[in-house]
Order: sequence, then C-alpha cells, then structure tokens
Amino acid sequence: GAVVSQHPSRVICKSGTSVKIECRSLDFQATTMFWYRQFPKQSLMLMATSNEGSKATYEQGVEKDKFLINHASLTLSTLTVTSAHPEDSSFYICSARDGSAEAFFGQGTRLTVV
Amino acid sequence: GENVEQHPSTLSVQEGDSAVIKCTYSDSASNYFPWYKQELGKRPQLIIDIRSNVGEKKDQRIAVTLNKTAKHFSLHITETQPEDSAVYFCAASGGNYQLIWGAGTKLIIKP
Repeated sequence: GAVVSQHPSRVICKSGTSVKIECRSLDFQATTMFWYRQFPKQSLMLMATSNEGSKATYEQGVEKDKFLINHASLTLSTLTVTSAHPEDSSFYICSARDGSAEAFFGQGTRLTVV
Repeated sequence: GENVEQHPSTLSVQEGDSAVIKCTYSDSASNYFPWYKQELGKRPQLIIDIRSNVGEKKDQRIAVTLNKTAKHFSLHITETQPEDSAVYFCAASGGNYQLIWGAGTKLIIKP
C-alpha cells in the first residue's frame, strides 16, 4: 500500500513555543490530507482537512490560528502548533489518500508540552 | 452530519473464540466502511473494508458484514489469537472520503 511518513514521532517542547509536524506521502500525490488528534483511550478526532494549494478546512472547535496547516505541495502537509500549552499535549496523526477510498496514516507524533 | 456509534467499548474473549464488534451509522449516503486496528502508540492499520454495494467480505479470520437498510456493519474475528488484542475502530465515509470514526473497542484476548 501507499506510504505516509510523519515526523517527528516524539517531541517535547516548552510551554509557549511552537512545534511543526510534517506529513509526507512518499510514493503518491495527495491532494487531500487529514489531521487528527487522539487523546489516550479515545478515538481519532478530525481537526482539519488539508487541501493542496488552498486553505485548510477546520472542524468546529479547532482554532485555526493555533493549529496552522500548510499544504504547499502534493506530497507535503505541515501542522504547526503555535504557542503550545500543556493541554495541547496529545497524539497527532495525519492521513492521506492515494486516489482510492482507503486512508493511509502517518506514524503519529506524540507531543508533550512542559 | 454523519455519526458513527460503536459497541462494545471493551470486549474480552477467550483465545480461540470469536469476537464481534458492531457499528451503526446515520448518513444513508455513506458508501465506504473500513475497520482499523490500532496498537498502543501506533498508527491505525486497515484490516478490512467494505463498500455499500457489497453485503459481506471475508479475509481469512476476519469478516465484515453490512446491512444498508439498518445502517449497521459489523466486524467478525474468528479463532482469536493473543496478537488480535488491540483497539479496533470502525469508520464511515461518503463522497468526500472524510472518515467519521467510531469510539473504538478495546479487544482483550484471554489466554
């Protein structure tokens, strides 16, 4: 199947700093990528849909100024958590489609804000 | 919007027995229903999926059934093994391919 690579896998940052997470489709072009957040023992919560060359579509309750999404190419989408706080600590994961209905996931990023 | 409900939240079965996880969806326009397995701290992995023009699909010990009229779909795992222990998620999507996720089922296989 298609491969989606996400980096970093783990990051610890200080409160108030920003963190950038990258999501790359390695062997296919992804016009649409999805960003999720997952708290312990909970399901994946869709944060936003990232569209190449246009603004991301954010889900209700997700602050677009805090979670900046850039999808500048067909193989790369980035999520920047700005002015991170301890409550932003979570597992962030991206997914992309290769033209089929199946979603392929990145490895996920464990963010810890101290 | 679409809503997906998944039951049970936790399922404990004896090794070798079968496990069944059920989901219901609300949007009759949904046409794609994947099941994912997620181990702790790892990415979800697709284990089987079914489209709305099919009623049942099987892959070795795993099967999925879909009842479009009742808007139900279920995951069946037979001859369960310890490595089947994980959290399983159902999802549903329509034309925009945006997946709506169930809450997840923690499957515990007892030796």
